[in-house]
Amino acid sequence: DAKTTQPTSMDCAEGRAANLPCNHSTISGNEYVYWYRQIHSQGPQYIIHGLKNNETNEMASLIITEDRKSSTLILPHATLRDTAVYYCIVTTGGGNKLTFGTGTQLKVEL
Amino acid sequence: NAGVTQTPKFRILKIGQSMTLQCTQDMNHNYMYWYRQDPGMGLKLIYYSVGAGITDKGEVPNGYNVSRSTTEDFPLRLELAAPSQTSVYFCASRTGGAIQPQHFGDGTRLSIL
Repeated sequence: DAKTTQPTSMDCAEGRAANLPCNHSTISGNEYVYWYRQIHSQGPQYIIHGLKNNETNEMASLIITEDRKSSTLILPHATLRDTAVYYCIVTTGGGNKLTFGTGTQLKVEL
Repeated sequence: NAGVTQTPKFRILKIGQSMTLQCTQDMNHNYMYWYRQDPGMGLKLIYYSVGAGITDKGEVPNGYNVSRSTTEDFPLRLELAAPSQTSVYFCASRTGGAIQPQHFGDGTRLSIL
């Protein structure tokens, strides 16, 4: 699976959009980009995934660059409950090898 | 809708004791996983199973054993507890299809003293 690079931490004001970047310059053609988050040591929570097209669901949007070497997770209106560690994972499937790095600690503040 | 349920939530063991961490899911998922997470670190895969009767090692299997006799249950066994096994253990499951995401339980916090 391709290696990912994320900032260690980010801050966001409540109500504003949170944009979390992820670099995955060695991604291969059959690898997907997955995002999970972990709120205060709870179990990781799946957010969204995509291959090459932008994706949106009720939680977030995922923007993948045309060359697929980077992506951005967007939380459109961040709330205090979105404070968590966000993991960007690149893999051939949600299957047997999810490699969790140290992620980005997002802190949403008033 | 329970999802993935792990028991116990907390446990303290003495060195050399054994115990079983329980994991059950009610979503009829074929795939199940055990991870451990040390403080400040990401999750590491211990064992996984692609269906009843089939298990395989992950990244850090030493010191652990698993079994999968039913679709619902995937217990993790520690035979001789060591301080290095102090960690938070997460169980996850997913349905078939390569790109389906994993769904996680809330974890078991285990301390070995």
